[in-house]
Amino acid sequence: GNSVTQMEGPVTLSEEAFLTINCTYTATGYPSLFWYVQYPGEGLQLLLKATKADDKGSNKGFEATYRKETTSFHLEKGSVQVSDSAVYFCARLLQGAQKLVFGQGTRLTINP
Amino acid sequence: GAVVSQHPSWVICKSGTSVKIECRSLDFQATTMFWYRQFPKQSLMLMATSNEGSKATYEQGVEKDKFLINHASLTLSTLTVTSAHPEDSSFYICSANGPRLSSYNEQFFGPGTRLTVL
Repeated sequence: GNSVTQMEGPVTLSEEAFLTINCTYTATGYPSLFWYVQYPGEGLQLLLKATKADDKGSNKGFEATYRKETTSFHLEKGSVQVSDSAVYFCARLLQGAQKLVFGQGTRLTINP
Repeated sequence: GAVVSQHPSWVICKSGTSVKIECRSLDFQATTMFWYRQFPKQSLMLMATSNEGSKATYEQGVEKDKFLINHASLTLSTLTVTSAHPEDSSFYICSANGPRLSSYNEQFFGPGTRLTVL
């Protein structure tokens, strides 16, 4: 089937720690992949994206590489900040399709 | 560019009343708009997809008579929760895309509307 699976949260880290949030997908074809961030009480903001294999999306110190061989799009950041505390959603969009399919979300809390 | 707004940002209503939520694309023409529902600490659930000038396509399990969607113009879609009940309390988020925004149908999200039904 077509789905997106994220590592379960919540994730709690100290400031300046290294972050990885795993995301894997199943899909026919070659989807576009996204990470969205949702701050408390707000809607979703696009954090980064990758539209083809081996693409690396990056923004605000976050990175994710589209790995076709492992069907993964793991989110990483080398040094997190308190302001990164939010819920992160991995999502995929099939070529030519309109519907985004979201993972279950991972709540991240960064302590000072 | 590609800004989507929602109004109201929060609403409290009595059980049995109807509530309308607006979703607007401010600086682009949105040929397609999407409505999602999000329960606390959960992911987004797509409710329906609406294309301008045509009827919305509802996801399985979503009551079309309860959640009325109108996409009458290229910049406005509305979601009306009819005869609301406490179990309809949720965070409703819309998104939109347009024909020339990107090559991969990127969706731009509104800030969400929190509905509380008493």
